[in-house]
Amino acid sequence: GAVVSQHPSWVICKSGTSVKIECRSLDFQATTMFWYRQFPKQSLMLMATSNEGSKATYEQGVEKDKFLINHASLTLSTLTVTSAHPEDSSFYICSAYRLAGDNEQFFGPGTRLTVL
Amino acid sequence: AQSVTQLDSHVSVSEGTPVLLRCNYSSSYSPSLFWYVQHPNKGLQLLLKYTSAATLVKGINGFEAEFKKSETSFHLTKPSAHMSDAAEYFCVVSGRTGYALNFGKGTSLLVTP
Repeated sequence: GAVVSQHPSWVICKSGTSVKIECRSLDFQATTMFWYRQFPKQSLMLMATSNEGSKATYEQGVEKDKFLINHASLTLSTLTVTSAHPEDSSFYICSAYRLAGDNEQFFGPGTRLTVL
Repeated sequence: AQSVTQLDSHVSVSEGTPVLLRCNYSSSYSPSLFWYVQHPNKGLQLLLKYTSAATLVKGINGFEAEFKKSETSFHLTKPSAHMSDAAEYFCVVSGRTGYALNFGKGTSLLVTP
């Protein structure tokens, strides 16, 4: 149990376009999900905390108008990279926080974004 | 602020020999600490976590870690490395809310035959 999926697993887009990434908790409800960004050979950096039914909380330095987060249901959060540029190319990872029992975060497999 | 420092960016061991991945933490309060593993093209997997219970924490796949407050360390060990252990390992500390996680820079473990 406790599986988190992301879609797509990879995406290539042109500069200036927008890309939506989905994060789903498949077998549990998650009132809180997190979005991380990972550059090659580097660690994960928390971008934002996504709460179901409310606005996301962004970390310092993360542009909320560029990285739009929607957490419309207890099993789905989406990250939209608007007007993507090559510097937005990265590995985006989501996690879902399971309240029941162990209060553990479960991570998705990640989405590789390449902006040409 | 809560942070972790992974002391080695790369560790190379021979199959069957012990593994030691080092992590020091900094926290203004009693932290929750985790070790995660990331295999290529796979999601992060929790190896073990410390949440102020027993200081010696046993995890999956034979890994364990010891919380040492006096040394502010949470080193990950395994008695005998397997080839399948080759991966990226992250030491992680939770934020004050217990939700957000602060990741170390990672240690790449290479296991040679």
